Amino acid sequence: DAGVIQSPRHEVTEMGQEVTLRCKPISGHDYLFWYRQTMMRGLELLIYFNNNVPIDDSGMPEDRFSAKMPNASFSTLKIQPSEPRDSAVYFCASSSGDRGGEQYFGPGTRLTVT
Amino acid sequence: AQSVTQPDIHITVSEGASLELRCNYSYGATPYLFWYVQSPGQGLQLLLKYFSGDTLVQGIKGFEAEFKRSQSSFNLRKPSVHWSDAAEYFCAVISGTYKYIFGTGTRLKVLA
Repeated sequence: DAGVIQSPRHEVTEMGQEVTLRCKPISGHDYLFWYRQTMMRGLELLIYFNNNVPIDDSGMPEDRFSAKMPNASFSTLKIQPSEPRDSAVYFCASSSGDRGGEQYFGPGTRLTVT
Repeated sequence: AQSVTQPDIHITVSEGASLELRCNYSYGATPYLFWYVQSPGQGLQLLLKYFSGDTLVQGIKGFEAEFKRSQSSFNLRKPSVHWSDAAEYFCAVISGTYKYIFGTGTRLKVLA
């Protein structure tokens, strides 16, 4: 299996622009998680899905952030408009309920907003 | 509320020395506990996990961890550290249905 795939790996954009991060989970996994990692705040859970349905989005910082999972093999995290404080590494992870919650992380997308 | 505390932000050890990274959790029920490692510029990789049973669990790369319910701890150990172990280590507990709560991480530096 190729593991969790994220794209792009690096994104540099200007403040005010829309940013879309993409994730392909491991085939057969029914949970998908979006995390943000910064030096100041560490690793934060933004939102997670079960069977393509958002279960908990309490970590989404504000309305500028949105996440979708149109099917079992694809999810997006969108920031519109982006701000410099959104600069971080964004990780996607997936897991299977049958495995007792072990999460497999993607390599992350490093976002820089100037 | 559930929480995970990693008291040591940074730890430095010499290559070949033993290592122990501390993790304390707060969770009402029997916890599912994990240790992950993150190398620079990489995602997180699972080292080991505890769900139930034997309180001493073995993981990859020669790591082990011991679950102590009385101390609410799940410390990670390695008898002899290699330079390639330099990374950041995260302890985590599952809250409810598969929602992880991560500690703030411990950054390990290994001296040659």
